[in-house]
Amino acid sequence: DAKTTQPPSMDCAEGRAANLPCNHSTISGNEYVYWYRQIHSQGPQYIIHGLKNNETNEMASLIITEDRKSSTLILPHATLRDTAVYYCIVRARYYGGSQGNLIFGKGTKLSVKP
Amino acid sequence: GAGVSQSPRYKVAKRGQDVALRCDPISGHVSLFWYQQALGQGPEFLTYFQNEAQLDKSGLPSDRFFAERPEGSVSTLKIQRTQQEDSAVYLCASVFKRDNINEQFFGPGTRLTVL
Repeated sequence: DAKTTQPPSMDCAEGRAANLPCNHSTISGNEYVYWYRQIHSQGPQYIIHGLKNNETNEMASLIITEDRKSSTLILPHATLRDTAVYYCIVRARYYGGSQGNLIFGKGTKLSVKP
Repeated sequence: GAGVSQSPRYKVAKRGQDVALRCDPISGHVSLFWYQQALGQGPEFLTYFQNEAQLDKSGLPSDRFFAERPEGSVSTLKIQRTQQEDSAVYLCASVFKRDNINEQFFGPGTRLTVL
């Protein structure tokens, strides 16, 4: 079973920030938080990952609480193209091998509306 | 090509028919995963290759499912005697390992419909 809990759906107005929450209360010290998204009829796409510090890249920001039991993915200026299912995944550091498989939950369906 | 490609994109099969789904990973990527995604669900792990070696097939749902990657690049997922419950999107992902971080690059998937 997935180790994360996400709301099934969220709406966001175009141009506004989209804040997607994820609970991972059983996360262990060596586990990272990954975010992927899946646009309709496409395969999942890597967005960002983090361990304990907040992270930012060209796509998004990831805010992880101090106790690491939850995190928020932030899309600062959502566009219609950001409409997708967003998956929060917790997994250990990858050293190679099949433990690298990602365990997806059902994710959050984000709808960006004009 | 620049990304992972899969073919065909769509496949309709009659129950009992055999199908073969192809994955072309990103050149040079050693590791390759296959996932199955049922409607409304997240992808679920099927099997894993490192080069030509299939190191984990624990996610394959039955012995009707078979995967190979004979030369360590292109991989084929074969389903024999398809059943309606096999209807799903089959995703292939190749792995770029960077600083021990697993970044998986997914193909667009093959949508299999078994009638």
